[in-house]
Amino acid sequence: DVKVTQSSRYLVKRTGEKVFLECVQDMDHENMFWYRQDPGLGLRLIYFSYDVKMKEKGDIPEGYSVSREKKERFSLILESASTNQTSMYLCASSFDRGREKLFFGSGTQLSVL
Amino acid sequence: DAKTTQPPSMDCAEGRAANLPCNHSTISGNEYVYWYRQIHSQGPQYIIHGLKNNETNEMASLIITEDRKSSTLILPHATLRDTAVYYCIVRVGGGSQGNLIFGKGTKLSVKP
Repeated sequence: DVKVTQSSRYLVKRTGEKVFLECVQDMDHENMFWYRQDPGLGLRLIYFSYDVKMKEKGDIPEGYSVSREKKERFSLILESASTNQTSMYLCASSFDRGREKLFFGSGTQLSVL
Repeated sequence: DAKTTQPPSMDCAEGRAANLPCNHSTISGNEYVYWYRQIHSQGPQYIIHGLKNNETNEMASLIITEDRKSSTLILPHATLRDTAVYYCIVRVGGGSQGNLIFGKGTKLSVKP
């Protein structure tokens, strides 16, 4: 089975801190995605990547950046965390473009105080 | 991508079939219907998808009406572990960005 691993299940950070959320997949998937999930708003796409060193903005990229130096790893970076970035962050991967069978990690619940 | 409409919640008795409806009356000819579910405190899990024909896998069956304006996800023998939020998504396949739009879904409660 495909495994998508997010480095932390729960994270508490202070306003203004730089935050790194790490995601690793073990099935050689081309595509990787970062979503955030908030009550009443569903899942919203932040950034995605179809290849190493490649990134595309999703629907809500403001305040975030990403890094994909290796195929299996996709990092989400909050340059200066703010309280409105308190959320559940979900990483996902899929085999290749056009195949929307996404495999999700268990999520990271980030609280920014 | 076309919009979907699902009931906010449903109950189902354990061991019975759970039939989850989804309306997608504005679906285009090249849009697929996807179903995901999200068990509490976990990431969403892919269940099944289809274009025109009915589909079945080890988890569920997907019945799509002939006009493709609606579909039903069937869990043939629901268990307590099937309690989750189920999302119906329509999406153009074949190469565009992976922007699946997850709505509010249907919260399925399987009761003993």
